[in-house]
Amino acid sequence: KNQVEQSPQSLIILEGKNCTLQCNYTVSPFSNLRWYKQDTGRGPVSLTIMTFSENTKSNGRYTATLDADTKQSSLHITASQLSDSASYICVVSRTGTASKLTFGTGTRLQVTL
Amino acid sequence: DAGITQSPRHKVTETGTPVTLRCHQTENHRYMYWYRQDPGHGLRLIHYSYGVKDTDKGEVSDGYSVSRSKTEDFLLTLESATSSQTSVYFCAISEGTGGFADTQYFGPGTRLTVL
Repeated sequence: KNQVEQSPQSLIILEGKNCTLQCNYTVSPFSNLRWYKQDTGRGPVSLTIMTFSENTKSNGRYTATLDADTKQSSLHITASQLSDSASYICVVSRTGTASKLTFGTGTRLQVTL
Repeated sequence: DAGITQSPRHKVTETGTPVTLRCHQTENHRYMYWYRQDPGHGLRLIHYSYGVKDTDKGEVSDGYSVSRSKTEDFLLTLESATSSQTSVYFCAISEGTGGFADTQYFGPGTRLTVL
């Protein structure tokens, strides 16, 4: 069964601290993996996309990693800001005619003073 | 929100009534999608469209129908609303011809409550 599991479900950190969010997937055959940020009351916005051959990709203070062998990805946030408070969703797509998206349930991050 | 609007943004309706949600894009993208988002679930695909009058079902299509008579508009209809369809509905679009392989851009969502 194609699944995407994210951990932790929720996380509270102090402003300025770093954090890492995890995504494990069983989706096959793999096409790509995206991380989305969803602010409360808004639609998700794409942060990064990673294909099979990519190990690391950065977008400002966000750095995503991918280990296609172990089917794991992480999203590292450096020097967190209050505006990073949001849900972060891992999304995996499959190749071929069955290419749909499998969404994780997200990690809810709260950055506090 | 990448040139996507959804209307209405909030709606309360009663069980058994038909409801239509509208998604409008200004990007002229080929692919459009409807998802629902519920606590404890990831976003789930209801229906999608790969061109005018070309639509297909997603994983949770029962009780929903869609229509796309022009590139910019994708309508989602709940034929007879039930309480289980209380949810937040998101429309998305993607550029290019790769369909689900391409990055999707989401609208602001419609919060629907069925009493």
